[in-house]
Amino acid sequence: NAGVTQTPKFRVLKTGQSMTLLCAQDMNHEYMYWYRQDPGMGLRLIHYSVGEGTTAKGEVPDGYNVSRLKKQNFLLGLESAAPSQTSVYFCASSYSGGGYSNQPQHFGDGTRLSIL
Amino acid sequence: GQQVMQIPQYQHVQEGEDFTTYCNSSTTLSNIQWYKQRPGGHPVFLIQLVKSGEVKKQKRLTFQFGEAKKNSSLHITATQTTDVGTYFCAGRPRGSAGNMLTFGGGTRLMVKP
Repeated sequence: NAGVTQTPKFRVLKTGQSMTLLCAQDMNHEYMYWYRQDPGMGLRLIHYSVGEGTTAKGEVPDGYNVSRLKKQNFLLGLESAAPSQTSVYFCASSYSGGGYSNQPQHFGDGTRLSIL
Repeated sequence: GQQVMQIPQYQHVQEGEDFTTYCNSSTTLSNIQWYKQRPGGHPVFLIQLVKSGEVKKQKRLTFQFGEAKKNSSLHITATQTTDVGTYFCAGRPRGSAGNMLTFGGGTRLMVKP
């Protein structure tokens, strides 16, 4: 049982290049999330999805696009990379929440992305 | 929008000393979760608090949720080197739907053996 798998683990890009980060989960979770982690700023939500075929903007969506064509996969795209997008990117998944309680989020190992 | 602040940002302790991190939200929360991230690792869920004034314990870790559901704390008794890492709180604003969380900036704990 792999949980949440992110590829690639590391990548260096030049400004203006594009790339796609892949996230796959095998826990049949409805919800999936993309976060970026920068020193001292915790985890900031970029985009999320509450089900196959649906996506929504999070706290810091500018410069990113996402797609969720299959329930188990959530893709994060950078169309024209900028140095400000240098960060560690984490994908997470969870069951849907309800009432006063949330479901735990399960994280992948992260993608360390540097943009020169 | 909602803000979740954590203090301190860093904490160095001698092994065996106690440690506390505090989490404060600008809005009332439905619940709060705590995560631990080891150096070079990914966040791992520790616990969720839902009720006003709730206290939960996991071995040497004690978690509290404030009466007003706007603050929380994590206290570690007699730290060990295995406690090293960054501790994050994450909350969902009361009245919001779904499973979205706003994370605090984290407290990085370093333990000297």
